[in-house]
Amino acid sequence: DAKTTQPTSMDCAEGRAANLPCNHSTISGNEYVYWYRQIHSQGPQYIIHGLKNNETNEMASLIITEDRKSSTLILPHATLRDTAVYYCIVRVSHGGSQGNLIFGKGTKLSVKP
Amino acid sequence: DTGVSQDPRHKITKRGQNVTFRCDPISEHNRLYWYRQTLGQGPEFLTYFQNEAQLEKSRLLSDRFSAERPKGSFSTLEIQRTEQGDSAMYLCASSLGGVAGGFNEQFFGPGTRLTVL
Repeated sequence: DAKTTQPTSMDCAEGRAANLPCNHSTISGNEYVYWYRQIHSQGPQYIIHGLKNNETNEMASLIITEDRKSSTLILPHATLRDTAVYYCIVRVSHGGSQGNLIFGKGTKLSVKP
Repeated sequence: DTGVSQDPRHKITKRGQNVTFRCDPISEHNRLYWYRQTLGQGPEFLTYFQNEAQLEKSRLLSDRFSAERPKGSFSTLEIQRTEQGDSAMYLCASSLGGVAGGFNEQFFGPGTRLTVL
């Protein structure tokens, strides 16, 4: 699975959009980009995933560059409860594979009032 | 609560003792994963079950570690002769796998925090 690079930490003002970048320059054509987050003292929580196209759900939007070498997770209106460590994960496939996740250190997002 | 549950939430033990953790996955999920997380690091994969079969083990899973899922439902992770380096959060996750073309989102439990003195 391809490796990812994320900033160690970021700050965001409450109510503003939080844009979390992720570099995955060695991503292969069949690898998906997944985002999970981990709020303090909890297990990780799935946010969103994508292959080529931009994706949006009730939690966030995922923007993947055309060359797929980087992506950005967008939390449109960050709240204090979004303070967490955000992990960008690139993985070969889903569905039929065993699907164990390889986490890096992630980005610690601090949402400030 | 129909999420993934883990027991105990905290365990303090002395070096050399054996400890056992339990994970109850979401009931219809056939896949179960164990991860370990140390302070400041992301979770690291330990092992994975599909139903009762243990299909993959990480090199992190030394011979002091054993995991079981006897009836394809709950799972236990045992650490024998604990060492201070075993101190970590042990996370369990479950997913519904084997669906062709489907995404098997992993749902994580709250973890068991182990402290080895």
